[in-house]
Amino acid sequence: AQRVTQPEKLLSVFKGAPVELKCNYSYSGSPELFWYVQYSRQRLQLLLRHISRESIKGFTADLNKGETSFHLKKPFAQEEDSAMYYCALKTGGFKTIFGAGTRLFVKA
Amino acid sequence: GAVVSQHPSWVICKSGTSVKIECRSLDFQATTMFWYRQFPKQSLMLMATSNEGSKATYEQGVEKDKFLINHASLTLSTLTVTSAHPEDSSFYICSARDLPGVAEAFFGQGTRLTVV
Repeated sequence: AQRVTQPEKLLSVFKGAPVELKCNYSYSGSPELFWYVQYSRQRLQLLLRHISRESIKGFTADLNKGETSFHLKKPFAQEEDSAMYYCALKTGGFKTIFGAGTRLFVKA
Repeated sequence: GAVVSQHPSWVICKSGTSVKIECRSLDFQATTMFWYRQFPKQSLMLMATSNEGSKATYEQGVEKDKFLINHASLTLSTLTVTSAHPEDSSFYICSARDLPGVAEAFFGQGTRLTVV
């Protein structure tokens, strides 16, 4: 079965603290994974994808096929990082399956 | 990045009527468009995938006759909720890709439908 699991609905951290948003997936093929972010009152937008192996806004995510995980990390959280984050899996049929989302709240 | 626009942003309609939601790619040609539904505090649920000039592919459990999708041009896809009921009230979001197989999709701002 194709599934994306984000176990935390809400994650609250202090400004400057490290943050890790967890994502696990279930997919029999070769996975292509993404993180999307939705800031308050804005549309959903792509944050990063695993094939790019890039850092966007200080966030990184490494695909771990052994653990079937694609956790999103940032060493020092900022208040402007507060948003809803969705982990997503692109299947062979080009459709994208989204996780339930994690709301990140960065406290001052 | 590319822009995808939905219209209207919100709509209220009476039970039994039909509502059409438009999804336009403003600065690129969208070979594939996707329609999602999002319930409050829940994730996006893919409803259907539409390719320009062909019939939409619906996900399991989505009623084709209730949610009519038309992708008549490379810049426009429409979702029509027919004979709407209060349980159809939701947030509907479209996304579009410019090239087949290209992973990134650009999202519209969403349409909030309320059926009274």
